[in-house]
Amino acid sequence: RKEVEQDPGPFNVPEGATVAFNCTYSNSASQSFFWYRQDCRKEPKLLMSVYSSGNEDGRFTAQLNRASQYISLLIRDSKLSDSATYLCVVKDYGGSQGNLIFGKGTKLSVKP
Amino acid sequence: DAMVIQNPRYQVTQFGKPVTLSCSQTLNHNVMYWYQQKSSQAPKLLFHYYDKDFNNEADTPDNFQSRRPNTSFCFLDIRSPGLGDAAMYLCATSSDRGRTEAFFGQGTRLTVV
Repeated sequence: RKEVEQDPGPFNVPEGATVAFNCTYSNSASQSFFWYRQDCRKEPKLLMSVYSSGNEDGRFTAQLNRASQYISLLIRDSKLSDSATYLCVVKDYGGSQGNLIFGKGTKLSVKP
Repeated sequence: DAMVIQNPRYQVTQFGKPVTLSCSQTLNHNVMYWYQQKSSQAPKLLFHYYDKDFNNEADTPDNFQSRRPNTSFCFLDIRSPGLGDAAMYLCATSSDRGRTEAFFGQGTRLTVV
């Protein structure tokens, strides 16, 4: 069974801090990777896809290391509104017929 | 406009009384998923459909069944809900063509009394 493991958290940080989350996964030939954000009692929403070359979206940077089988999410200049649970998601779009596996999530709490 | 719609948003059912949750999508995605999420836990995959092919997770109880009559609709049937089945049930869709992400409905919060 393929597994996705995340930092347990919770992370409690002050506003303006930089925080990083890591996630490890079981290897498979055909995969894509995502970070989702989930607010309390809401559905998960896509934060960003993770590309092999790494990608940035404003204060958020995602990186993929296939050799070490981990992905990371870096949040710079944390805002109060960043408080949420961040879920690492791995999708097998090849032979596993689109199986979508979530990590357990890392809770982030940004304090004033 | 919502692309993945779950109904109802809130469902209260009696212990042991069958209940059906529904999910519809306008994305024409060929993969549809059902997740169970309990408080402070990650979503747990129950099963998914790849086109018409049903893929059940090994640890999904027999009490949970699913139907997908066409591309747009998928149903979750709980044959005899127990107190432990109270949770948020999330439907998601995705395409197997390329690296497309999954889109989630707003979920159905199930209460068992």
